[in-house]
Formats: sequence, C-alpha cells, structure tokens
Amino acid sequence: NAGVTQTPKFQVLKTGQSMTLQCAQDMNHEYMSWYRQDPGMGLRLIHYSVGAGITDQGEVPNGYNVSRSTTEDFPLRLLSAAPSQTSVYFCASSYSAGGQDEQFFGPGTRLTVL
Amino acid sequence: AQSVTQPDIHITVSEGASLELRCNYSYGATPYLFWYVQSPGQGLQLLLKYFSGDTLVQGIKGFEAEFKRSQSSFNLRKPSVHWSDAAEYFCALRGDSWGKFQFGAGTQVVVTP
Repeated sequence: NAGVTQTPKFQVLKTGQSMTLQCAQDMNHEYMSWYRQDPGMGLRLIHYSVGAGITDQGEVPNGYNVSRSTTEDFPLRLLSAAPSQTSVYFCASSYSAGGQDEQFFGPGTRLTVL
Repeated sequence: AQSVTQPDIHITVSEGASLELRCNYSYGATPYLFWYVQSPGQGLQLLLKYFSGDTLVQGIKGFEAEFKRSQSSFNLRKPSVHWSDAAEYFCALRGDSWGKFQFGAGTQVVVTP
C-alpha cells in the first residue's frame, strides 16, 4: 500500500491564481481530512469528509473548496490564492473499527503564495 | 466547544534524561486522545492513542501517556530520551464526530548531548 499520497510536494503561486492539491489513499478509509500547518499554530482542520459525496467545513475553510467523488480521492482547491494561504498542507485519512480510529498522514505539500 | 492546549512551546532535554510533554483538553465528555510526532520535514506519525479502559497507554518508541480525567490531561512521557527523539510533538483530540480531529499547537523537543 502506498498509504496517503499528496501531489505536488512543493508549489509556488502568484496571488489570485488557483490550483488543486491532490490527495489519494489506497486503504479504503472512510474519512479524509485536509489540514494546514503554520508555525506555532499546530494543525488546523480545513475541510473533512466522512465518505464519498459528503464533506464538511473544519476550523479554517474560507478560500478552500473540496469534493469527494470517490473513496480514494479528496482534492483541495484554492480558488484565488492569497499570501495568507502560504502554509504546509497535510491530507489525512482515517478508519473506524471496533469503536476506535486512527489518522494516517500524507507527506505534505509546501505552498508559497507570492 | 472542544480544545487542546499544549502549554510548552519548546523543551530542551539532555540525552538520557526523562521527558514529559503536557497536554490539556477541554471537552464535555470522554474524549479520544492521540499523540503524534513529526520529525523535521516529515509527516505525522502516531505514537499512541487513548479510547477507554486503562488510563496508562503504551506507544511506540518507548513512549507512554496517562489520561487523567480529573485534570483534563493526557501527558506524554519517556524515561530516557535519545537524540532521535528530537522532533515536534502534537496532542490531538477527537470528539463525537468520526474523522474530525483537533490538534494542539505542538511542542518542539530539542535533545542536547
């Protein structure tokens, strides 16, 4: 299993550009999430999904869109990039079994918006 | 509302010394709690998790954590740190919503010779 994969690893955008961060998992996990990591702020939840076709907002959803058409894929779209969106983005997937769950993280995408 | 607080932003510890990282939470019921480690430039790796039962939880890499309901805490400990333990550590909580986790701000651990 490849686990959780993210592309690209690095990206530089200009203010106002749009782009999609890709996330895929091959573990058949029900739940997928997007976080951003900024110094001193830990990981903050942007959007999450509890299954194909179902998404919900997290703590910091503004400026980002998501969709989940398949169990495997959960892309994150930046509609009009702003310097405040410079961050490291992590995708994660999780399962539930026997009343327990665990998140598995991708390697991250480092995004710089100029 | 739920929250996770890691009071220590940065901790320096000598190799071979013990380590304790603090995590406090706010949640109306029994939370599901996790500790993750992030090595420089890497993703996050799960160290251990608490769901119910025994309040002392053993994890990987020699780490353990103790859930104390009365203190709303879930502190992480290691008896003797190794240079490879230098990393950032995150405490996380999941409440009632499956798949929805909340993280603390993290504690950066530096290990000196």
